[in-house]
Amino acid sequence: DTGVSQNPRHKITKRGQNVTFRCDPISEHNRLYWYRQTLGQGPEFLTYFQNEAQLEKSRLLSDRFSAERPKGSFSTLEIQRTEQGDSAMYLCASSLPSYEQYFGPGTRLTVT
Amino acid sequence: AQKITQTQPGMFVQEKEAVTLDCTYDTSDPSYGLFWYKQPSSGEMIFLIYQGSYDQQNATEGRYSLNFQKARKSANLVISASQLGDSAMYFCAMSRYNFNKFYFGSGTKLNVKP
Repeated sequence: DTGVSQNPRHKITKRGQNVTFRCDPISEHNRLYWYRQTLGQGPEFLTYFQNEAQLEKSRLLSDRFSAERPKGSFSTLEIQRTEQGDSAMYLCASSLPSYEQYFGPGTRLTVT
Repeated sequence: AQKITQTQPGMFVQEKEAVTLDCTYDTSDPSYGLFWYKQPSSGEMIFLIYQGSYDQQNATEGRYSLNFQKARKSANLVISASQLGDSAMYFCAMSRYNFNKFYFGSGTKLNVKP
């Protein structure tokens, strides 16, 4: 296992469409995080899973955003009715029950 | 509310010199963690160093050390003997004691000059 993987790496969509991103964490990692990063800014926390349980969710997440981790392995992040303001890099990270997060390469979303 | 502030948008350092990247934080939690991450132009975030709020000694990892001043609420990163490969964005971050949620600063872009 070489690290956290994210698919797709790039996504271009039209405003109003739904998009779904996938994150595959390092296999033995039970903790999984999603972040959003816009150009020139630091990552912004979106949500946290411990195994399949979603334990933290940012208030920044509107009703259009949802995340799942159904079997405690891979996770998906869905954005419904995309808006231009959703254009960003979406990062996934995983960890053991410890402080060191391992980040994936990210999915770059462009909403036209 | 937790907040991380990085006041240096960009820094230059000569190769082989040491550099300090500033970070201040705000939290009312008695137990928390402080982190530094590196993000090269390739985009992938890389964990560098961690300091727990109750750790008595400053954390060190190779050429990286974290200058933790709890009373001042600062957690500066010191990189010794800078290398060209250190050119990147550097982010300071904070978490609650249970690592359930992380807060990142806006970053400092470090350029190492040959």
